[in-house]
Amino acid sequence: EVRLVQSGAEVKKPGESLKISCKGSGYTFTSYWIGWVRQMPGKGLEWMGIIYPGDSDTKYSPSFQGQVTISDDKSISTAYLQWSSLKASDTAMYYCARVGGYGYHDSFDIWGQGTMVTVSS
Amino acid sequence: DIQMTQSPSSLSASVGDRVTITCRASQSISNYLNWYQQKPGKAPKLLIYAASSLQSGVPSRFSGSGSGTDFTLTISSLQPEDFATYYCQQSHSTPRDFGQGTRLEIK
Repeated sequence: EVRLVQSGAEVKKPGESLKISCKGSGYTFTSYWIGWVRQMPGKGLEWMGIIYPGDSDTKYSPSFQGQVTISDDKSISTAYLQWSSLKASDTAMYYCARVGGYGYHDSFDIWGQGTMVTVSS
Repeated sequence: DIQMTQSPSSLSASVGDRVTITCRASQSISNYLNWYQQKPGKAPKLLIYAASSLQSGVPSRFSGSGSGTDFTLTISSLQPEDFATYYCQQSHSTPRDFGQGTRLEIK
């Protein structure tokens, strides 16, 4: 079974750093891009960026460039999303998702269960 | 960036109804368009890719159409489990942004 399993919920203070994870299983991790999606409370889905574990090539949305860092460790089939200095406005559910596709068409075909990040003083 | 606009933002319908949700792109994206369903407290689920191709395991009452800038998601006969929020997403260029969502509620 193809699965993405994310790390657990986090409660942090403003200014703290954080790294959340997404572990893939049931498929060749280095052959598929992995993306991150933000969902603020009661709001819609926001595409943050993607990484290709085969060579760690990374693409960011301009809205998130410089605000977060996406990385991976292919030896343990895990992708990461990290912040160096959290803000209250980073409070959200964060999903990782695999970029699957047919021909030139790609989509998020497998999703993790989500990691809730709460930033509050 | 390509902007994706869905309409309506919310919709009330009854079991058995035929429902259509619209998604418009700010520029032509050919058929590089996906649809997702999200239920409360759950991760999104891929329904349709390439504007009209049904993802494996998705019921045939869901269908998608469109090309260029205008797209539709149709549910032919609403079932109780279909009440959820639906999102379109363009896969033409990066960032692959989503529409703002359409919340489908029980009338």
